[in-house]
Amino acid sequence: GAVVSQHPSRVICKSGTSVKIECRSLDFQATTMFWYRQFPKQSLMLMATSNEGSKATYEQGVEKDKFLINHASLTLSTLTVTSAHPEDSSFYICSSIGGYEWADTQYFGPGTRLTVL
Amino acid sequence: AQSVTQPDIHITVSEGASLELRCNYSYGATPYLFWYVQSPGQGLQLLLKYFSGDTLVQGIKGFEAEFKRSQSSFNLRKPSVHWSDAAEYFCAVGAITGGGNKLTFGTGTQLKVEL
Repeated sequence: GAVVSQHPSRVICKSGTSVKIECRSLDFQATTMFWYRQFPKQSLMLMATSNEGSKATYEQGVEKDKFLINHASLTLSTLTVTSAHPEDSSFYICSSIGGYEWADTQYFGPGTRLTVL
Repeated sequence: AQSVTQPDIHITVSEGASLELRCNYSYGATPYLFWYVQSPGQGLQLLLKYFSGDTLVQGIKGFEAEFKRSQSSFNLRKPSVHWSDAAEYFCAVGAITGGGNKLTFGTGTQLKVEL
């Protein structure tokens, strides 16, 4: 149990375009989802926390208008990188919490490698 | 605010040797502590977690960790390392918030296993 998927696994886009990344909890209802960013050889930095049906809470320094998060259902959250630039190239990882059994532990997706040309 | 320190950026051990990865945390209350492993191209996998109770926690793949409150540490150990254990290991401390368990990660320790 506690499987989280992400799509796509890799994406390459041109500067100025928008990219949407999906995060799905496959076998449980995710009441809360988290989005992280990981630079090469570095740790995970929390970008935002999203609860189903409400607006995401962004960490300090994360641009809300650039990184749009939607958590429309208990199994799906999306991160849209708008007007992407080369500095947005990174590894984006989501995680989920949900259900009584897993309410206190985050389970992570495999990540999405974004490259902006 | 909570923080996690993993003092060792890289560690190399021989296959079959014992392993200890260090983790120190800073948190104002009783911490929720986690160890995750990240293999190339894969997501983070939970190895083990500590919430309360027995301070020696057993995890998957033969790993264990010991919570020492007096030292603010949660070191990860394995008695005999396998080549497949080569990966990046992250220690994390959790704080329960209104939105769930918010994690703060250490910078990670890259484990290399020599055959």
